[in-house]
Amino acid sequence: KAGVTQTPRYLIKTRGQQVTLSCSPISGHRSVSWYQQTPGQGLQFLFEYFSETQRNKGNFPGRFSGRQFSNSRSEMNVSTLELGDSALYLCASSLGVLEKAFFGQGTRLTVV
Amino acid sequence: DQQVKQNSPSLSVQEGRISILNCDYTNSMFDYFLWYKKYPAEGPTFLISISSIKDKNEDGRFTVFLNKSAKHLSLHIVPSQPGDSAVYFCAGQQGGSEKLVFGKGTKLTVNP
Repeated sequence: KAGVTQTPRYLIKTRGQQVTLSCSPISGHRSVSWYQQTPGQGLQFLFEYFSETQRNKGNFPGRFSGRQFSNSRSEMNVSTLELGDSALYLCASSLGVLEKAFFGQGTRLTVV
Repeated sequence: DQQVKQNSPSLSVQEGRISILNCDYTNSMFDYFLWYKKYPAEGPTFLISISSIKDKNEDGRFTVFLNKSAKHLSLHIVPSQPGDSAVYFCAGQQGGSEKLVFGKGTKLTVNP
């Protein structure tokens, strides 16, 4: 069974631009969550989707948004990029609530 | 407000000895606690979990202990192996949500 796949693996963007990251969950998993990892803040929850509905959202500005498609694939978008958005963005999928989450390898975003 | 704290940024142990990683939490609503292991340039990998109604869970060399009255959990690795060298994250989860609240991690180094 293929794991969680995130694309692209690495990305360099300029301040003010916008970016879209993609996540393909494990087959059969309907829940997808996104996390941001930075050296100072650790792993922080961005949002969670289940069956195309956002069920939970972390404490991030509205520049961060996401969506989930009918095949459970998910995208997250960051608009008007800031230097502080440079981070490793991780996607996790699970079968459902309180089922263990499996993480992808992440997308390393660098904003210059 | 850091709901999950891992107060030791790093830990170094000798191969064959016990590794004890600690985690404190403040949110009494957590129903589930999980430990993840992370190698550089990879996503976190699920290690072991424990329900809030239990005080111990064991899986091979890994045992997690939960002390609800002290809001403290610990991960014991016996015996430690060089391949265990990684960053270990503790996370709390509330029922009804996929959201994981992570500590900032402890870097474990197992010396041969």
